Amino acid sequence: AQTVTQSQPEMSVQEAETVTLSCTYDTSENNYYLFWYKQPPSRQMILVIRQEAYKQQNATENRFSVNFQKAAKSFSLKISDSQLGDTAMYFCAFIFPSYNTDKLIFGTGTRLQVFP
Amino acid sequence: DAMVIQNPRYQVTQFGKPVTLSCSQTLNHNVMYWYQQKSSQAPKLLFHYYDKDFNNEADTPDNFQSRRPNTSFCFLDIRSPGLGDAAMYLCATSRDPAESGGEQFFGPGTRLTVL
Repeated sequence: AQTVTQSQPEMSVQEAETVTLSCTYDTSENNYYLFWYKQPPSRQMILVIRQEAYKQQNATENRFSVNFQKAAKSFSLKISDSQLGDTAMYFCAFIFPSYNTDKLIFGTGTRLQVFP
Repeated sequence: DAMVIQNPRYQVTQFGKPVTLSCSQTLNHNVMYWYQQKSSQAPKLLFHYYDKDFNNEADTPDNFQSRRPNTSFCFLDIRSPGLGDAAMYLCATSRDPAESGGEQFFGPGTRLTVL
């Protein structure tokens, strides 16, 4: 079974500091994608960053970067220079493409609070 | 801007009174998904359409139905809402899985209250 685990239900960080959110997953597949989605309070879910499993290089998007450890099945998100607008629920998610769907498997989420 | 739109944003219904939630997209994506998200939980996939091909999750209650009359629109029908169906309902889309790289685009959600 494919599972995604986020062991930190809540985290907080001061503005301008760096925070790392943890995620582990379990799969027997070799070709898959990993994602971090952000869901701000009362706003829609948006993609933060994506990692292809076959790529060894860690993905980076501006202040957001990942530490992808395929052998350890670990996929953590680092947010640098945290901003108040980063306050949100963050979901780690996994997908392996099949012929007719990209079925996302979500973790339980980490609620991040950025305070001034 | 291309987007996923959900109407209404807030819906109140009475116990047992049928309700329909709608989703439209301007992205021209092949796949449309409906998720149920309860407070502080991860979204749970209910079903999805790949073009007109409907795919139901094994644990989706029979109370939930869906229609996709064309590429742009998809509806979620709850035939007899119970108190346990109160949740946020998210619609999402993606391109053909062979091309999408896995990314799904989410609408803002409809928050359903059942009285």
